[in-house]
Amino acid sequence: QVQLQESGPGLVKPSETLSLTCAVSGGSISRSNWWSWVRQAPGKGLEWIGEISHRGNTNYNPSLKSRVTISMDQSKNQFSLNLSSVTAADTAIYYCVRNGEKYFDYWGQGTLVTVSS
Amino acid sequence: QSALTQPASVSGSPGQSITVSCIGTSSDVGGYNYVSWYQQHPGKAPKLLIYDVSERPSGVSNRFSGSKSGNTASLTISGLQAEDEADYYCNSYTTSSTYDRSSTYVFGTGTKVTVL
Repeated sequence: QVQLQESGPGLVKPSETLSLTCAVSGGSISRSNWWSWVRQAPGKGLEWIGEISHRGNTNYNPSLKSRVTISMDQSKNQFSLNLSSVTAADTAIYYCVRNGEKYFDYWGQGTLVTVSS
Repeated sequence: QSALTQPASVSGSPGQSITVSCIGTSSDVGGYNYVSWYQQHPGKAPKLLIYDVSERPSGVSNRFSGSKSGNTASLTISGLQAEDEADYYCNSYTTSSTYDRSSTYVFGTGTKVTVL
């Protein structure tokens, strides 16, 4: 059973970079699958941020592409999200997710990141 | 890309069937058979209910079914139960409108299902 666990600061200052890591257990991120980040602003809907393949290829939401970087550390079996120049609009619960073929089958529990000075 | 359009709320009585619609375009819902549906209870992570328009993952009740016609996908919940009260989101694979036509995904606006 694949399990995902997000970690990182719960509070980030405006204009700084949000950095989160997702630790994966029960499966190797380097063998197969794509791995995504999805976020949900308080009381709002879901928004796909981007994905990384087991080979390190990436795709990003066009609306966030200029500020997003997703990377992976195969030795630690984890992947990461960096979102630069954050504003209050980036306050959200951030989920790391395993992709199935073209869907999202395993989700982390989510971590709330608040952007505030 | 714009979010897929879902009704804000749908309600039904226990035992009834309800349908949640998800309206997209020919570039997303209508262009690919890669529509998925997710159930989210308050304070919980989303759970995959349907993938590839109408496929159910192992362990998901057969009371949940999916379909698609043109640019509109639908989720039907039959034999509505109290535990079905939750938010529901559709999602579609698509490609970016930028020059590189990279893969991207778009979620629906979300529907709150209430069991009366």
